[in-house]
Amino acid sequence: GAVVSQHPSWVICKSGTSVKIECRSLDFQATTMFWYRQFPKQSLMLMATSNEGSKATYEQGVEKDKFLINHASLTLSTLTVTSAHPEDSSFYICSASDGPAYEQYFGPGTRLTVT
Amino acid sequence: AQKVTQAQTEISVVEKEDVTLDCVYETRDTTYYLFWYKQPPSGELVFLIRRNSFDEQNEISGRYSWNFQKSTSSFNFTITASQVVDSAVYFCALSSNFGNEKLTFGTGTRLTIIP
Repeated sequence: GAVVSQHPSWVICKSGTSVKIECRSLDFQATTMFWYRQFPKQSLMLMATSNEGSKATYEQGVEKDKFLINHASLTLSTLTVTSAHPEDSSFYICSASDGPAYEQYFGPGTRLTVT
Repeated sequence: AQKVTQAQTEISVVEKEDVTLDCVYETRDTTYYLFWYKQPPSGELVFLIRRNSFDEQNEISGRYSWNFQKSTSSFNFTITASQVVDSAVYFCALSSNFGNEKLTFGTGTRLTIIP
């Protein structure tokens, strides 16, 4: 089956620093990737949708200058949390799809803690 | 706008009991897809089932069964003879399409199976 990986699986960073999270589709080409955020004991909320080679589409209320998303290739999307603050601490999950008629496959998630 | 409601925040049952998780959805689309995911403590989402709006047949997979009723906009999930390994958070989700549309998640139901 289709596999999506995320790296790192967990990261601790200091307030004010930036952190990059990678999402890779290992055995298929992901034309669309999604980034979700999940706060403790809450649901998953979509942050943005990215299509390979084009700018990401952000959901209302998500700061595009703070959460930089790059989908430079058909197998890799990155989420960079810039100038991270403790309130950005969350579980970030990506999903990937190789087309409108295909499933979304979820990555295992990245737990970010900002101290 | 799409909405998914999981009214049961937490459920605890004794092992081997049956348990039903409720899901009610709202959408204006005539074509849509409903999903159930399991999220164990590790955090990784486990896909359980997908249903499209034109297929109202109930489905059974081992101890799992799903009841889709368009008339009440519900897509309920039943676990028969529950086991401790079933303990997790379960999310119901809704999408207008397969791969290139975002998933709208419910708030999740935390299921605890008591040995």
